[in-house]
Amino acid sequence: DGGITQSPKYLFRKEGQNVTLSCEQNLNHDAMYWYRQDPGQGLRLIYYSQIVNDFQKGDIAEGYSVSREKKESFPLTVTSAQKNPTAFYLCASSMGQLAYEQYFGPGTRLTVT
Amino acid sequence: GEDVEQSLFLSVREGDSSVINCTYTDSSSTYLYWYKQEPGAGLQLLTYIFSNMDMKQDQRLTVLLNKKDKHLSLRIADTQTGDSAIYFCAVPRANNLFFGTGTRLTVIP
Repeated sequence: DGGITQSPKYLFRKEGQNVTLSCEQNLNHDAMYWYRQDPGQGLRLIYYSQIVNDFQKGDIAEGYSVSREKKESFPLTVTSAQKNPTAFYLCASSMGQLAYEQYFGPGTRLTVT
Repeated sequence: GEDVEQSLFLSVREGDSSVINCTYTDSSSTYLYWYKQEPGAGLQLLTYIFSNMDMKQDQRLTVLLNKKDKHLSLRIADTQTGDSAIYFCAVPRANNLFFGTGTRLTVIP
């Protein structure tokens, strides 16, 4: 079955540690996205990538980093510089530029204490 | 910049109709989307409407678009307990989508 997978579902880290969230898709989509979801704030765009080896900052990129070495994969690293990292993180993909229909993974809930 | 506004909460009785509203600021949007998020899950694309349409019906779902007022609504007929979720409207912005805050729909049995 085609789809987007995120792992793990739940992640716990101590403050000061970097952590990497995985996102893989087998839909052959060119574009991939990372969002952060906090209660009452909807989805906020962290980073997006329209093509392999290229990515752009979204609205809240500070304290995060990404890479896009393969079409299928778009990992997100939450660094120790992110002041409030505890959140629900969602990865999405779409066919490509101007293809606005996005498909979402199941999400990763990150808790940092 | 782009802004998309939704009410945060809506409660309806099972069997009634639900109407979820959304207002947006960018008038250049071509498609407008509705997504559904069940507890602890990702978002699922429910339906969309092209900006030159006023209405789109898909089984129990009706989308209404008032382009002049920049107002989008999603009507769910015969609302069921399984419809309890957060509903997001989304509008295109540059190379991605801009999402509203989401409306949490609670269906009372």
